[in-house]
Amino acid sequence: GAVVSQHPSRVICKSGTSVKIECRSLDFQATTMFWYRQFPKKSLMLMATSNEGSKATYEQGVEKDKFLINHASLTLSTLTVTSAHPEDSSFYICSAREATGTILNFGPGTRLTVT
Amino acid sequence: AQKVTQAQTEISVVEKEDVTLDCVYETRDTTYYLFWYKQPPSGELVFLIRRNSFDEQNEISGRYSWNFQKSTSSFNFTITASQVVDSAVYFCAREGATNKLIFGTGTLLAVQP
Repeated sequence: GAVVSQHPSRVICKSGTSVKIECRSLDFQATTMFWYRQFPKKSLMLMATSNEGSKATYEQGVEKDKFLINHASLTLSTLTVTSAHPEDSSFYICSAREATGTILNFGPGTRLTVT
Repeated sequence: AQKVTQAQTEISVVEKEDVTLDCVYETRDTTYYLFWYKQPPSGELVFLIRRNSFDEQNEISGRYSWNFQKSTSSFNFTITASQVVDSAVYFCAREGATNKLIFGTGTLLAVQP
């Protein structure tokens, strides 16, 4: 139980285009999901907290207009990287917790490469 | 900022050696949780342990053991008789009142055959 999936697992896009990454909780409902970003050989940096039915809460330094987060249902949150640039190339990981759960479950990650 | 520090960037050991990964955290919360995750080359995070700040008992799970010392704000992780499959990046993390999980900088463990 408590499986989190991400799609796509890997995406390559051209500079200036937008890319959408989906995060789904497969067998539980998640009112809150978290989006992390990881550069090569670096730690996971929390980007934002995605709240179902309301606006996401962004961490300091994260551009909300560049990284659009939508949490339209209790099982789906999406992260859209708008007007992507090569410096946006990174590993993006989402996570979610069951309402009564204590463990944060992580998705397998999405590797974004912007050329 | 309430940081989680993993001073060891990289550790290399030979198979069957014991290895300890250090973690020091900062927090102003009375109640908090500490975690260790393993990230193999595939990238997917593997949950290893969650520890409540009120529970300072050490824990052992197979070849893994954890030492929580609240007095020194440390939560160290020891792998006994290391194996090549233990090679990965290991992250210590803290969750406090905000319910956000904040990760340490990670330690790359390389176990040589």
